[in-house]
Amino acid sequence: GENVEQHPSTLSVQEGDSAVIKCTYSDSASNYFPWYKQELGKGPQLIIDIRSNVGEKKDQRIAVTLNKTAKHFSLHITETQPEDSAVYFCAASPGYSTLTFGKGTMLLVSP
Amino acid sequence: DTEVTQTPKHLVMGMTNKKSLKCEQHMGHRAMYWYKQKAKKPPELMFVYSYEKLSINESVPSRFSPECPNSSLLNLHLHALQPEDSALYLCASSQERGDRQETQYFGPGTRLLVL
Repeated sequence: GENVEQHPSTLSVQEGDSAVIKCTYSDSASNYFPWYKQELGKGPQLIIDIRSNVGEKKDQRIAVTLNKTAKHFSLHITETQPEDSAVYFCAASPGYSTLTFGKGTMLLVSP
Repeated sequence: DTEVTQTPKHLVMGMTNKKSLKCEQHMGHRAMYWYKQKAKKPPELMFVYSYEKLSINESVPSRFSPECPNSSLLNLHLHALQPEDSALYLCASSQERGDRQETQYFGPGTRLLVL
């Protein structure tokens, strides 16, 4: 089955800096890669997703890049704000199976 | 509207109790999911329903019993739970496209404590 590794496990940045979270996957058949943000006491919220026919996708301060050859994808957050502080999960799916999640990254943005 | 609702928000139960968790969505999604999430861990898939039929059971103990009464509702019946079952239980839903994973939308979860 699919295996997703996520790094780093914790990330501390100053407000206004950029943050990058990286994930690698094992199943070359995976073709869907969502990113979820989970705030304390809440359910995961989809922030951006990408399919394997696209190399990059942007939504305001958030972007995701995908390298199918290397089997890794990354989340980029620019101009970070304190409200970006949360746990971020990447996930991958080969289509024939449901999502496999990474272990999560706790992002702390200090004012 | 991408809202999935779950009730109750919090639940405390003894090991001999029977309780149910409820999940509802009105997005017309035909796939619904139950996940279990322990602190500082990712969500762990328990069950998947596709068109109101159970399609995936990730070897979950029988003390957890899912039910999908109709296309908008998903229940999780709990009986004789153990303290280690204490966790956040998340419901999610998505479109159903066969061999393509569609976006899953999560509810806020039910925080369960088993005493």
